Amino acid sequence: GEDVEQSLFLSVREGDSSVINCTYTDSSSTYLYWYKQEPGAGLQLLTYIFSNMDMKQDQRLTVLLNKKDKHLSLRIADTQTGDSAIYFCAESPMVGSGNTGKLIFGQGTTLQVKP
Amino acid sequence: DVKVTQSSRYLVKRTGEKVFLECVQDMDHENMFWYRQDPGLGLRLIYFSYDVKMKEKGDIPEGYSVSREKKERFSLILESASTNQTSMYLCASSSPGSHSYNEQFFGPGTRLTVL
Repeated sequence: GEDVEQSLFLSVREGDSSVINCTYTDSSSTYLYWYKQEPGAGLQLLTYIFSNMDMKQDQRLTVLLNKKDKHLSLRIADTQTGDSAIYFCAESPMVGSGNTGKLIFGQGTTLQVKP
Repeated sequence: DVKVTQSSRYLVKRTGEKVFLECVQDMDHENMFWYRQDPGLGLRLIYFSYDVKMKEKGDIPEGYSVSREKKERFSLILESASTNQTSMYLCASSSPGSHSYNEQFFGPGTRLTVL
């Protein structure tokens, strides 16, 4: 079945890089996602990567995808206190030639940024 | 500004009560979802709906039902609340896209406590 795994907690110092890792099981997923949840709020899409890409960069964010190992990572450069949040990895399983509209989320990684 | 709103941010109910959680989206989205979020477990899908009057079970539907009478509104019903349903409930919506990425838009969540 589909499963997405993340570590639960990461602590970094302000200005350092943060790397959040994720493994997934469904190789049919066309897109993989990173969502961010700030305290007291719902989730918001941070970035996504198409499955035929190895890397995607968007300002301070770098997403790396290793399809062979089914491993996804999110790197945040120059981490700021405002980056403190829960980060969720998600995959979108396919059925036949189309996606289901569903997302399978990991457990979420709480990023703590110390000043 | 696109929005998903949920009827309450905090709710306290007693065991055995019938509980209604309401979700409204203003984006004319076909897909709507109800999740519960628990620490260390991430988001788990309770029910989802692809269209008015349509519903499908997610991963943990037991003890819940849903209603979608209008496209913009998706209600989650706890027929007889129990203490193990104390959780954060998140509603989301999205447009169907068989070959495009699935951005789900989330409401702020309802923190339900069952005493």
